[in-house]
Amino acid sequence: DVKVTQSSRYLVKRTGEKVFLECVQDMDHENMFWYRQDPGLGLRLIYFSYDVKMKEKGDIPEGYSVSREKKERFSLILESASTNQTSMYLCASNTGGDLNEKLFFGSGTQLSVL
Amino acid sequence: AQSVAQPEDQVNVAEGNPLTVKCTYSVSGNPYLFWYVQYPNRGLQFLLKYITGDNLVKGSYGFEAEFNKSQTSFHLKKPSALVSDSALYFCAVRGPPGGQNFVFGPGTRLSVLP
Repeated sequence: DVKVTQSSRYLVKRTGEKVFLECVQDMDHENMFWYRQDPGLGLRLIYFSYDVKMKEKGDIPEGYSVSREKKERFSLILESASTNQTSMYLCASNTGGDLNEKLFFGSGTQLSVL
Repeated sequence: AQSVAQPEDQVNVAEGNPLTVKCTYSVSGNPYLFWYVQYPNRGLQFLLKYITGDNLVKGSYGFEAEFNKSQTSFHLKKPSALVSDSALYFCAVRGPPGGQNFVFGPGTRLSVLP
């Protein structure tokens, strides 16, 4: 089975801190995604990457950046954390080519910014 | 633009009764539709998808979904609910043609009562 691993289950940070969320997948997937999940809003796409060093903005990229130096790893960076970035962050991956391929998700990181 | 609506925030059903979780969509082009489930403190898991063909799609854990093009709906169903089916359910549609994104609905919380 595909495994998508997020490095932290819970994180508590202070306003203004730089925050790194790490995600690793073990199935050689081309595509990787970062979503944030908020009650009543579902999942909203922050960034995705379809290849190493390639990235595309999603629906809500403001305040975030990403890094994909290796195929299996996709990092989400909050340059200066703010309280409105308190949320559940979900990483996902899937294969490229087949546009209908399902997503595989990590367990999520619940980030609290104080 | 692609969009998904889940008109019910919460669905309650007694164990052993049939359940339905509703989803309607708006897409340009052919609809590629998905259902995911999220159990407490977990990431999302794929349940089933509709791409083409038979309007009744069967998926994991005894779930099925019915695609109705005229009503632009893709309702999730199960003939006999289990307490263990209690979770958060998300309907999703593949993003605009040529894109890699998925657009998710806001989620419906299903509670199966013993």
